[in-house]
Amino acid sequence: EVQLVESGGGLVKPGGSLRLSCVASGFTFSGYSVNWVRQAPGKGLEWVSSISSSGSYIYYADSVKGRFTISRDNAKNSLYLQMNSLRAEDTAVYYCARDLLSSFDYWGQGTLVTVSS
Amino acid sequence: SYELTQPPSVSVSPGQTASITCSGDKLGDKYACWYQQKPGQSPVLVIYQSSKRPSGIPARFSGSNSGNTATLTISGTQAMDEADYYCQAWDSSLRVFGGGTKLTVL
Repeated sequence: EVQLVESGGGLVKPGGSLRLSCVASGFTFSGYSVNWVRQAPGKGLEWVSSISSSGSYIYYADSVKGRFTISRDNAKNSLYLQMNSLRAEDTAVYYCARDLLSSFDYWGQGTLVTVSS
Repeated sequence: SYELTQPPSVSVSPGQTASITCSGDKLGDKYACWYQQKPGQSPVLVIYQSSKRPSGIPARFSGSNSGNTATLTISGTQAMDEADYYCQAWDSSLRVFGGGTKLTVL
């Protein structure tokens, strides 16, 4: 069974940093691109970042470029999102999602990040 | 930047057909996909590559994509289909979501 389990969310002050993790199981993690997608409270989905299977190709939404860094460790079946210079508008549930054929076929349960003083 | 536009809400009676549209410049030249999200749950992929259904998704869900519009069609809509629906596409390696449509079954 494919599983994606996020962790690392919490309350952080504006300007602060947080590192999210996503551990994958049930499939060959190193064979897939993976993504972070977020959803602000009561709002729609917003794609944040993606990383290719080998880590060679990385993309970011304009809203997080220069502040967030995506990475992966295929030996640990893990995806990461380093978030710096956090703003109130970064408050959201952050999901990791597996990439398949131009879509996201499996999603984690999400981890809540709250940026507030 | 590329944008996808969805109607904020669609209403349908049980047993009828619901159609949710997603508009974007030359969207028909790209693959579109659709997600269903129920309150408090993670999104679920219901259509990929514009018209394909993942395993486990009921046959009443179908998709099409042509010109500037992708459409998710739910035939014989059931109460359990009440949810938010999001379209998504790729543009220059960036993934883009529509704003979402709340489907009400009443």
